[in-house]
Amino acid sequence: GAVVSQHPSWVICKSGTSVKIECRSLDFQATTMFWYRQFPKQSLMLMATSNEGSKATYEQGVEKDKFLINHASLTLSTLTVTSAHPEDSSFYICSAQEDSTDTQYFGPGTRLTVL
Amino acid sequence: QKEVEQDPGPLSVPEGAIVSLNCTYSNSAFQYFMWYRQYSRKGPELLMYTYSSGNKEDGRFTAQVDKSSKYISLFIRDSQPSDSATYLCAMRSGNNRLAFGKGNQVVVIP
Repeated sequence: GAVVSQHPSWVICKSGTSVKIECRSLDFQATTMFWYRQFPKQSLMLMATSNEGSKATYEQGVEKDKFLINHASLTLSTLTVTSAHPEDSSFYICSAQEDSTDTQYFGPGTRLTVL
Repeated sequence: QKEVEQDPGPLSVPEGAIVSLNCTYSNSAFQYFMWYRQYSRKGPELLMYTYSSGNKEDGRFTAQVDKSSKYISLFIRDSQPSDSATYLCAMRSGNNRLAFGKGNQVVVIP
């Protein structure tokens, strides 16, 4: 089946530092990947749509200079949280849209804690 | 009005009961309908995917779509404790952006 991995699965960092999260589609190609944020007991909130070889499209209210997205290949997208603050602490989940079926498969998520 | 409405109230059922979940939506452009299961601290897992009105069965799971009423449902037969999770409905139109419901937390009591 289609598998999406995320690395790291959890990270703790100090306020002001940057954190990079990787999202990989392991057995399929994904021109489009999505990044979500989920707070406890809340649904997924779409942050941005990442397209291979072009700039990401950010949802309203999401700072593109703070959440840097790079989709350099058909199997890898990265999200960098720059100058992280405690309010950025959340569960970040990516999904990869399989090119052949348009079905989205989710990664296992990355729990970010900013001290 | 939100695009997708899903009553987030928790649902507790005894083992073996039928679990019934539903979502309504307002955007008639939605063509594809999905149900995801999410265990605590994990990413969502695709359970059911459909794009036409009617029923689709997969084992103990049945997804139902009524496009005329803009209403979708998920039924879980013979529920098991391992079915305890949060269930999210999701839908999209041709532009591929998923719209999610808030999710229902389901607890199946042994």
